[in-house]
This record gives sequence, structure tokens and C-alpha cells, in this order.
Amino acid sequence: DGGITQSPKYLFRKEGQNVTLSCEQNLNHDAMYWYRQDPGQGLRLIYYSQIVNDFQKGDIAEGYSVSREKKESFPLTVTSAQKNPTAFYLCASSNRGAYEQYFGPGTRLTVT
Amino acid sequence: DAKTTQPTSMDCAEGRAANLPCNHSTISGNEYVYWYRQIHSQGPQYIIHGLKNNETNEMASLIITEDRKSSTLILPHATLRDTAVYYCIAWGRGSQGNLIFGKGTKLSVKP
Repeated sequence: DGGITQSPKYLFRKEGQNVTLSCEQNLNHDAMYWYRQDPGQGLRLIYYSQIVNDFQKGDIAEGYSVSREKKESFPLTVTSAQKNPTAFYLCASSNRGAYEQYFGPGTRLTVT
Repeated sequence: DAKTTQPTSMDCAEGRAANLPCNHSTISGNEYVYWYRQIHSQGPQYIIHGLKNNETNEMASLIITEDRKSSTLILPHATLRDTAVYYCIAWGRGSQGNLIFGKGTKLSVKP
């Protein structure tokens, strides 16, 4: 089955700890994206990567970091510098130049 | 990128057609209209997109006005599983940034 996997579905962390969210795709897509969604709100772009070893900041990159060492993987680290990390995090991928993005099931992060 | 405006919420009776409007009066010539939907606590799902002509696929139909300032997504026979937030996005190659998901329209399909 081709698709995007995000793990875990639910994640709990203490304030001040860094946490890394996993995103893997086997669709052979070049581009990958990370979004954040808060309750009742739309999606906001955190980071995106068009090719391996390259990525760009989205609209709300502060307090987050990413890496793209492999085409199929795009992990997101939520650092302690992120003021309000509790949110629903969504990963997506697309073919380069294609308009449709395919989304994973999301990870709900709670920081207390 | 062109901004889009959608109603906050809509209701539809099960089995009837759901018509979801979207205004995009500032859309430029190379921007497509995209529709995605998000069922509660899941990732968004691509539905359909179009540029000028009306489009239809197995999920929905997209009607774009001749002046391209508005469009309507039609779910011909809504089911309870179509209850979701529907996002209308205007975007194209050359646009700055990436897809912008606003708050969308919360469609509630009722028995």
C-alpha cells in the first residue's frame, strides 16, 4: 500500500523537552511538507522540502527544525523554543510541480 | 496568492446534493481552484481541481463561473461520511508560497 505514515498518533511531552515527529512516504514523491493545525483553525505551513538535502521555512518555522536526508523521510523536531507546541501536526507529500498534496493521518502532540 | 472566502458552515440532508460555494474574486489567470476536505482528526484529502472548465470525478463536480471569481463544489448525493471541513484554495505555478488552507466550510450531513 502506498501512502504517508506518521507516528505516533498521539504524543505527550513535558515542557522544555525537544520532540521529533516522524513522517515517511513510499509514494516516490519529491516534495514533502509539515503543517500545524490548532483547534477550529486551518493549516499553517511550517517547513517544506522540494528535494533531498534542501528545505525552506514556511509561515511559522520558529521553534521547529527539519532534515531531509532521504527522499522518503522528513522528520520534524519541535524544540523547547516553540512557545505553544500543543497542536495537531500533519505531514504531506507531492510530486514536484504537481498540485495535489497527499496527507498523512497526523500526530497530535500535547505538551504539559 | 488569491484569497478565498467560504461560509463557515452548511447543513445538507443525506441523499441530497451538497453545493459548497467559494469566492475567489482576486484569482489570477494561472491559478487553479483546488478543493480538499478534512474529516475530523484526519489529514486533508484532495477532492478536485480546475482552471476554467467545469470538472467532474468520482467524488464531486466543480463548477467555475465564466469570470472565475467564484466556484461551487457539488457532492451529488451526500452521505453521512461526507461530513467534514471543505477547503477551497486558489493556487498555481508561480504563486508565492504553498497551498493556503483557511478555515473552510464545515459541512454537516444529517439523516
